[in-house]
Amino acid sequence: ETGVTQTPRHLVMGMTNKKSLKCEQHLGHNAMYWYKQSAKKPLELMFVYSLEERVENNSVPSRFSPECPNSSHLFLHLHTLQPEDSALYLCASSQDWGGEQYFGPGTRLTVT
Amino acid sequence: KQEVTQIPAALSVPEGENLVLNCSFTDSAIYNLQWFRQDPGKGLTSLLLIQSSQREQTSGRLNASLDKSSGRSTLYIAASQPGDSATYLCAAWTGGGNKLTFGTGTQLKVEL
Repeated sequence: ETGVTQTPRHLVMGMTNKKSLKCEQHLGHNAMYWYKQSAKKPLELMFVYSLEERVENNSVPSRFSPECPNSSHLFLHLHTLQPEDSALYLCASSQDWGGEQYFGPGTRLTVT
Repeated sequence: KQEVTQIPAALSVPEGENLVLNCSFTDSAIYNLQWFRQDPGKGLTSLLLIQSSQREQTSGRLNASLDKSSGRSTLYIAASQPGDSATYLCAAWTGGGNKLTFGTGTQLKVEL
């Protein structure tokens, strides 16, 4: 596969569940990002990893926990979510932090 | 705090028309500015990236300009086609690449 892939594409979970979103980039990039896109709101940058180290955390609630085991993979662990967390979660990568961004297709998350 | 505004929020034009999408930002100390398109329910596709030292970038029928002093960027689409129908987003990196702020987008519809 090429580019940035995300799994699953759709996820429905209850408020007490624990789930994880996965992102993989095949571009040889050094930086990876998680974004949240809610209806009628601008894209929100959640987390940034550069060379597998977290460099940005935009005051995201602790019920979202990122993990970057290597420069090609990024996870977002979810637990005890709220209905307002329902959104499209997008992963992106760039050659270096602050560079041109390439996005995955997103995971549509619904919290019931 | 950087704020990015896109006007209009929605635009409908007949096929073949040339059009301009606007992006305004409040903090002129940007690192770069990127234009994306997003199709319904999908991730973002990078269109053009303009570094802070550049005035414009071109790709095919697309031309993006950047005027830091006035806090504006425009995306010019020549000879619009129905396949151009999508939401167009601009995003500005500020603080040496520390913060990425997205606009709310312009939803474009090109009609036959």
